[in-house]
Amino acid sequence: AQKVTQAQTEISVVEKEDVTLDCVYETRDTTYYLFWYKQPPSGELVFLIRRNSFDEQNEISGRYSWNFQKSTSSFNFTITASQVVDSAVYFCALTLGSARQLTFGSGTQLTVLP
Amino acid sequence: NAGVMQNPRHLVRRRGQEARLRCSPMKGHSHVYWYRQLPEEGLKFMVYLQKENIIDESGMPKERFSAEFPKEGPSILRIQQVVRGDSAAYFCASSPLGQPYNEQFFGPGTRLTVL
Repeated sequence: AQKVTQAQTEISVVEKEDVTLDCVYETRDTTYYLFWYKQPPSGELVFLIRRNSFDEQNEISGRYSWNFQKSTSSFNFTITASQVVDSAVYFCALTLGSARQLTFGSGTQLTVLP
Repeated sequence: NAGVMQNPRHLVRRRGQEARLRCSPMKGHSHVYWYRQLPEEGLKFMVYLQKENIIDESGMPKERFSAEFPKEGPSILRIQQVVRGDSAAYFCASSPLGQPYNEQFFGPGTRLTVL
C-alpha cells in the first residue's frame, strides 16, 4: 500500500524567508503521480502541481519550486520570499497509475508572520 | 467555467439523523471522488464514482454510508444515523476522462457537525 509522510506538522517563518516543506512517499509501483495542494484558512483545496514518476525535472513557478528525487522518494516544496498570504496547510498527495484515488499526507501548517 | 460545487457548505445534524451531501462536478468531468477530513488530519479517500457506477468504495465505512452519482443530477453522499464521530469536512473532487492521470479539482467542502 502507498503512504505519504509529511513529518513537519507546523512551521513558522517570518515574511520574506524561504521555507521548504518536506514530503516523503512510499510505493512499490513504478508509475505514480505526486501532487501538492494548498488549503488556506477558508478551507478549500487549491491544486498547485502534479508530477509523474518518469519526470524528475525540478519545476519553478514564480516563488514556488519543487524538487522531486526518486532516489530518496521525496517531493519537496519550497516557497521563496514567503508572504503572509502563503499561510495555509499544505498537503502532499500520491496516486498510482493503476488507481484514481489520492493518498494524502497529514499536512504541514505553514504560518508566515509579518 | 464553474468549479466543483458542494452543498450545503455547513450541515448540523443530531445523532441518529440522516445527512445528505451533494456534489456537482465541473462541466465535462465524469469522475467524482469523495474524501473525508477529520479535525487536524489529512484527507482520506472514501469512494470513486462515474455516472451510475461505483468504481471504488474501498474507503467507505461498511455501514451507514452510501454514495451515488446518477445519470442526471449531482453526486450524493448519504450518511444514515449519524454519530458524533462523523463530524468532519467532506470534500468532493472531480476529474475528466483521459490519460495520463488528470488532477482532481476539489469543491469547497461540506462541514458536518453532529450534535
